[in-house]
Amino acid sequence: GAVVSQHPSRVICKSGTSVKIECRSLDFQATTMFWYRQFPKKSLMLMATSNEGSKATYEQGVEKDKFLINHASLTLSTLTVTSAHPEDSSFYICSARDEGTYEQYFGPGTRLTVT
Amino acid sequence: KQEVTQIPAALSVPEGENLVLNCSFTDSAIYNLQWFRQDPGKGLTSLLLIQSSQREQTSGRLNASLDKSSGRSTLYIAASQPGDSATYLCAVINDYKLSFGAGTTVTVRA
Repeated sequence: GAVVSQHPSRVICKSGTSVKIECRSLDFQATTMFWYRQFPKKSLMLMATSNEGSKATYEQGVEKDKFLINHASLTLSTLTVTSAHPEDSSFYICSARDEGTYEQYFGPGTRLTVT
Repeated sequence: KQEVTQIPAALSVPEGENLVLNCSFTDSAIYNLQWFRQDPGKGLTSLLLIQSSQREQTSGRLNASLDKSSGRSTLYIAASQPGDSATYLCAVINDYKLSFGAGTTVTVRA
């Protein structure tokens, strides 16, 4: 099946700093990628839809100036958490969509801890 | 807005027993439904995808059924093994987005 990678797998940063998470589709091109956030023992919450070559579409309640998304190529989307706070600590997962089947392939996730 | 519910939230069974995991959704206008497995601290592994025109999908010991009219899907895992211990997530696609349930955490006791 299709493979999606994320980097880094874990990151610890201090309050007020910014951190970038990369999501790559390794063996297919993805016009559309998605970013999710998962709280402990909770489901995945869709944060935004990342569209190659255009602005991301954010879900209601997600601050676009805080969670910057860039989808500069058909294989790479990045999520930058700006001015991070401890409440931003979470598990962030990306996915890339196969435009033929609409099936989404998920990355392994990134554990962000803000101290 | 699509709401996806999974019952039970947790399940513990002895090895060898069959597992039945339930998923319900409020908007039946779905494109497809997908079952995932998630191990602690890890990403999602796709188990089965059922297109909206299908009634079920099978892969090895796994079988998933879909009843769009009643807004339900069931995942059956036959002859459970300790390695099946994980959280199982159900997700539906409509409006080109995935909506997830909160998952069922399964423990298979050796």
